[in-house]
Amino acid sequence: GAGVSQTPSNKVTEKGKYVELRCDPISGHTALYWYRQSLGQGPEFLIYFQGTGAADDSGLPNDRFFAVRPEGSVSTLKIQRTERGDSAVYLCASSLRAVDLPGTGGANEQFFGPGTRLTVL
Amino acid sequence: KNQVEQSPQSLIILEGKNCTLQCNYTVSPFSNLRWYKQDTGRGPVSLTIMTFSENTKSNGRYTATLDADTKQSSLHITASQLSDSASYICVVIAYGQNFVFGPGTRLSVLP
Repeated sequence: GAGVSQTPSNKVTEKGKYVELRCDPISGHTALYWYRQSLGQGPEFLIYFQGTGAADDSGLPNDRFFAVRPEGSVSTLKIQRTERGDSAVYLCASSLRAVDLPGTGGANEQFFGPGTRLTVL
Repeated sequence: KNQVEQSPQSLIILEGKNCTLQCNYTVSPFSNLRWYKQDTGRGPVSLTIMTFSENTKSNGRYTATLDADTKQSSLHITASQLSDSASYICVVIAYGQNFVFGPGTRLSVLP
């Protein structure tokens, strides 16, 4: 497909379990972003990858959250010891280059996936 | 503190009418400001991207304005359609990949 895809679309788990959420960005996009969106709220930044490396992980709420992008394309968001408060829609987005790259006017468009709805019981 | 506020929180209009959504921000160093449309259960879709030097940008029936001095932006929707019913999110990006999302305005267009 031409867009950003995320799997699974829905995930229900029990408190304390481990979950992995997958994001397939648009081919060739070097920048990848994870966000979390609670009901009725705007998305909240979690982590940003430039290539294989996490350029900014300041949005991860605690050390139970971890994300990888080993080959610079697909990314996995991992949540350990899930808590009920982790329930949200997890959005992934990609862009050709960093969205605030100096000198470009920051005009790199960001494309979002449909999200994974995580429910922790 | 970097912050984005949006108003109104929700809005109901009749099909064919115009409306304007507001965004105020305190984000620095400012890189660009974006408006997104998010349908229920879907990811956000970009409507406009504006940098510091741009005052107005249009995308079909959507027109965004930016006043960098007062740190305000607006999104004007002309001749609304039922399909415009969605949440509209204002995002301000600071250099250093600092994303600040507004809470969104929930727009409902009624026939």
